[in-house]
Amino acid sequence: SQQGEEDPQALSIQEGENATMNCSYKTSINNLQWYRQNSGRGLVHLILIRSNEREKHSGRLRVTLDTSKKSSSLLITASRAADTASYFCATDRTGGKLIFGQGTELSVKP
Amino acid sequence: DADVTQTPRNRITKTGKRIMLECSQTKGHDRMYWYRQDPGLGLRLIYYSFDVKDINKGEISDGYSVSRQAQAKFSLSLESAIPNQTALYFCATSEGSGRGAYEQYFGPGTRLTVT
Repeated sequence: SQQGEEDPQALSIQEGENATMNCSYKTSINNLQWYRQNSGRGLVHLILIRSNEREKHSGRLRVTLDTSKKSSSLLITASRAADTASYFCATDRTGGKLIFGQGTELSVKP
Repeated sequence: DADVTQTPRNRITKTGKRIMLECSQTKGHDRMYWYRQDPGLGLRLIYYSFDVKDINKGEISDGYSVSRQAQAKFSLSLESAIPNQTALYFCATSEGSGRGAYEQYFGPGTRLTVT
């Protein structure tokens, strides 16, 4: 069964706007990771946030983690057409393997 | 050159055929993984290996087998392919020690069609 549930499944915005994607999970985790996938290609790691961290930044990306609500969000600020991709959260519960969510498909229109 | 390579990139095969997908990495990582991706279902773990002698089943291992020939090579076999194994297959690698999960590096994928 999937650990992460992402919301929304699809998001369409204009260039320059911010994009927010959410991920909820069911059991306690060691860390949570976000990945990006351009159409049909391999996933690329974006950011890892540990269970004892609440917020992390990387360039235009901001990730938050609320372990009490078992949820995380990924914010992309000032989006660009090149940000068009699918975004996946993945949780590390135990045993060193990741469980991926179904993903959010982001479309950024120029 | 890419750090994680997969061969073949595309394959069409018939029901009942045996097929092998290969993965090689130059990152020097101990951990390797095989996933399949189906539309709307994200990635599901088939098998994973934390070193040459440590191979484990993932969520959906039925109908698949793997071989870890060396630290750098991890192959996935479909013993008798069936149409619902049509999917995009990814290999990934990561560093690793202890119980935690690390950033994973993905190959470009193999698109497999079983007719």
